[in-house]
Amino acid sequence: AQSVTQLDSQVPVFEEAPVELRCNYSSSVSVYLFWYVQYPNQGLQLLLKYLSGSTLVKGINGFEAEFNKSQTSFHLRKPSVHISDTAEYFCAVDNFNKFYFGSGTKLNVKP
Amino acid sequence: EAGVTQFPSHSVIEKGQTVTLRCDPISGHDNLYWYRRVMGKEIKFLLHFVKESKQDESGMPNNRFLAERTGGTYSTLKVQPAELEDSGVYFCASSQPLADRRAYEQFFGPGTRLTVL
Repeated sequence: AQSVTQLDSQVPVFEEAPVELRCNYSSSVSVYLFWYVQYPNQGLQLLLKYLSGSTLVKGINGFEAEFNKSQTSFHLRKPSVHISDTAEYFCAVDNFNKFYFGSGTKLNVKP
Repeated sequence: EAGVTQFPSHSVIEKGQTVTLRCDPISGHDNLYWYRRVMGKEIKFLLHFVKESKQDESGMPNNRFLAERTGGTYSTLKVQPAELEDSGVYFCASSQPLADRRAYEQFFGPGTRLTVL
């Protein structure tokens, strides 16, 4: 069975600081990996995805993630966050069209 | 292009009542999915339609939940009778036919927040 672990439920960070949101998954097969963001009172929006190819994936709003097969990780990073990045972030793994999500990480960017 | 829409955005009902949630996927998306998030936990898969057929309903919690997608367009998720533990946010998502896996993405709606009192 697939599972996704987001190690931090909340991450407070000051504006313009770098941030890393951690995600580990378990899978015995090839995976497709995704990061989604949910801004307050909105739906889930795709940030980036890894399907194949380069292990460093760039997404929208300056976010990037690195797929590490040996460590079964797909951590999300941004070198300098903005107040507008305050949201909840979800890591997901796709297994034959069924998404398995982590429990989410709330990123709180402080001025 | 309109995104995935869900109705209602919020619903408050009493235990034992019936509630029907609706999802309108992006036009042309054959795949439609229902997910649920309970009390800040992970978002869990409920079921997957391909057009009007249920492809995978392994996540449906019990027989109080009934999902339909007549005509392969919009979908409804009915909970009857509702229980306290059914409270949560119900998300709908849709995706294109999977001929080109490189384009694969599920597009999510804003969710319906269901509160059962």
